[in-house]
Order: sequence, then structure tokens, then C-alpha cells
Amino acid sequence: NAGVTQTPKFQVLKTGQSMTLQCAQDMNHEYMSWYRQDPGMGLRLIHYSVGAGITDQGEVPNGYNVSRSTTEDFPLRLLSAAPSQTSVYFCASSRGSSPLHFGNGTRLTVT
Amino acid sequence: GIQVEQSPPDLILQEGANSTLRCNFSDSVNNLQWFHQNPWGQLINLFYIPSGTKQNGRLSATTVATERYSLLYISSSQTTDSGVYFCAVGYNTNAGKSTFGDGTTLTVKP
Repeated sequence: NAGVTQTPKFQVLKTGQSMTLQCAQDMNHEYMSWYRQDPGMGLRLIHYSVGAGITDQGEVPNGYNVSRSTTEDFPLRLLSAAPSQTSVYFCASSRGSSPLHFGNGTRLTVT
Repeated sequence: GIQVEQSPPDLILQEGANSTLRCNFSDSVNNLQWFHQNPWGQLINLFYIPSGTKQNGRLSATTVATERYSLLYISSSQTTDSGVYFCAVGYNTNAGKSTFGDGTTLTVKP
């Protein structure tokens, strides 16, 4: 039982490049979310999903796309990377009235 | 949206001391969680506690939903308790759409 798996762990992009952050969970959780954490701050919600085929925007969605074709996977796409997107990205999943389970994060640097 | 304020922002303790961390929130919520982020950046759920009191070893938490605050108690602190403690709240019982506070950074000195 791996829990929530994020790849890659580290990534460096140049401004304007695109990439996809991967997230997979093996707990059959219906809810999945993406958060970003900037230095000295809490986590801010980017996008979330309540089930396969259903996604919605969070607090800071601009510059990011998501899709959820399966229960297990919830990839986050950066369309055209900007230095303001330098951050640590966390994927999380949950089920019903239960706590969030987080992946170990992806540290992204945009130069 | 919901506003979440955590206090104090920083806390330094000697090993063995007790501490209380506070989380205030601006609206009625149906989920509230406490997390510990360790020095390696991992986020570990401590409590899911939209109301009432729970205990887990040296840690306990109390949420008074009607007064919109939650408290996290750490007793007999250890150096491994160091890190950042986050409170997260949401309108729904499912935790998928949660708003986080800015955290309390705890340093426990040997």
C-alpha cells in the first residue's frame, strides 16, 4: 500500500516550458487535491476533484490544468511555467469524513 | 472564503515542556484537521477533529466549533516534535477542499 505517490521529486524548468506533475493513490479515495506551499506560508488549494471526471478550481488555479480520468490518478499540468510558480507542490487524497493523506511533494524551480 | 489564523507563529521550548497551539477560523466549518510538517517536508495528519476532544499519546486536540477555535496540546515535548504545525478547515465533511493556516513553527531544544 504505497498511499499517495508524487513524481518527480524535483524539477527545474525554464520560463515558458510546460510539464505535468504526476499524482497517484492506491487507497480508492474519491477526493484528490493539489496544493502549493510557498516559503513561510501554509498550503493553498490549486484544484481538486470529487471523483473521476469531476474537477473544480481552488484558491489559486491560474496557470494550471487538471483532469481526472481514473480514480487513482490526478495529474497537474503547468501550461507555460513562470517564476511565480516556483514552489513545493503537494497532492492529497481523502475519503468521506476522513483526513487528508499527502504525498511527499514535488519541489519545482522555474528560472 | 474562510480565514484561518494560527498562533503563536513561532515557539521555542526546552525538551520536556508543554505547549498549546491555537487555531481560530472565521466561519462555521464541518471539517478541521491538524498536521505536522517535519523538517523533511512531509505532512502527517495528527487529528481530524471538527468538534470535541481527541487524544493520541502526548498529543491532544480540542475544537470548540461554536466559538470557532481549536487547540492542539503537546505535553512532555521531544526534539522530534520540532517542525511546523498546520491547522486546516473546510465547509464540507470531506477534507478535499481545505483552507490552511500559515502554521506554528515549533523548535524543541535538547
